Amino acid sequence: SQTIHQWPATLVQPVGSPLSLECTVEGTSNPNLYWYRQAAGRGLQLLFYSVGIGQISSEVPQNLSASRPQDRQFILSSKKLLLSDSGFYLCAWRRGRGSSGANVLTFGAGSRLTVL
Amino acid sequence: KNQVEQSPQSLIILEGKNCTLQCNYTVSPFSNLRWYKQDTGRGPVSLTIMTFSENTKSNGRYTATLDADTKQSSLHITASQLSDSASYICVVSVYNFNKFYFGSGTKLNVKP
Repeated sequence: SQTIHQWPATLVQPVGSPLSLECTVEGTSNPNLYWYRQAAGRGLQLLFYSVGIGQISSEVPQNLSASRPQDRQFILSSKKLLLSDSGFYLCAWRRGRGSSGANVLTFGAGSRLTVL
Repeated sequence: KNQVEQSPQSLIILEGKNCTLQCNYTVSPFSNLRWYKQDTGRGPVSLTIMTFSENTKSNGRYTATLDADTKQSSLHITASQLSDSASYICVVSVYNFNKFYFGSGTKLNVKP
């Protein structure tokens, strides 16, 4: 069976510090990977998605970047955090297009980031 | 413009009562609609998925309906329990699968 791991679960960082959130998927290959941000009381905002190693699409220009160094690893980064980067970050995956179950989006447990 | 709107924004009900959450969408071309349950501080977990040809789908005490003509879906919760307290999110995907459109969710609070 497939599982998705996301860490750290909670992070408190000062303004101007770097950020690295990591997400890995087990039990599948060539997944499509996503990073979302969820502000309190708001819907999920797509930040980045990736259909393969080194392939990153950015939905919203911002202070964040994403990388996919391995097939099942997706990293969300920032060189210098802003107060506005605080939020709940969710990693998600689905099977590649054309695969059985490609319409199923599965989420990680989330990472709560507080920038002070 | 592709949008997903949910109502109500929040809802308080007594344990044991039923409730219905609404989702209206303008997403096109429609592929499927999925309801997720998100406990506070956790990632969303899928409850049901419905394709264009499906009208009703149940998962235990949860029953989802879809009217593809009016582009409306509802999630009915029967005999609510305290553990049903969560946010419920409606997600619609477009035909090419790379896009998912999220509603802002309905926050349900079940009180004893």
